[in-house]
Amino acid sequence: DTGVSQDPRHKITKRGQNVTFRCDPISEHNRLYWYRQTLGQGPEFLTYFQNEAQLEKSRLLSDRFSAERPKGSFSTLEIQRTEQGDSAMYLCASSPGLAERNFGPGTRLLVL
Amino acid sequence: GESVGLHLPTLSVQEGDNSIINCAYSNSASDYFIWYKQESGKGPQFIIDIRSNMDKRQGQRVTVLLNKTVKHLSLQIAATQPGDSAVYFCAENIPDSSYKLIFGSGTRLLVRP
Repeated sequence: DTGVSQDPRHKITKRGQNVTFRCDPISEHNRLYWYRQTLGQGPEFLTYFQNEAQLEKSRLLSDRFSAERPKGSFSTLEIQRTEQGDSAMYLCASSPGLAERNFGPGTRLLVL
Repeated sequence: GESVGLHLPTLSVQEGDNSIINCAYSNSASDYFIWYKQESGKGPQFIIDIRSNMDKRQGQRVTVLLNKTVKHLSLQIAATQPGDSAVYFCAENIPDSSYKLIFGSGTRLLVRP
């Protein structure tokens, strides 16, 4: 399967803990996006990378969130000092340009 | 599996009938639109896209119509099948440098056998 992959698929953590998620995009795609989705809502944009450069961050991305794409390939999203309000599905997508965004299966986070 | 959305507008259709899912988008400058299908517990799956210089595009069993005058997008699914049951989202591309997508609120499609 050459689609976007995400790991882990599910994460349960206690409030205050740090978590890190990984996204492996389609290999030839230079654009990578992180989105967050809560129940009953469409995905909301969090941040965008072109190659290794993080070019845009949403106001939704508080200072407890950090994302990296060190070699322009895989990306990580870290949430520090998790809060119950961080519980959501975290989606990664990649694309070669304006064309369709290919989404991964998501990481479902539950903060207890 | 988990529900993608518990309080979404729902369209219920009989298997074999045609389905029409509507979406109002927000930004008159949006230049590209995508319809996604999302099944419970999965990421959004690309269905069909359309650029703003077109008003209709057809795929296999699906057609997207774009009316820029009223900022309206629709997805038509022909001969709806049980496997089409899912939540459908429209997304618009804001023409800035990031090409980020802004998603609508979604519609749940239920196909009755």
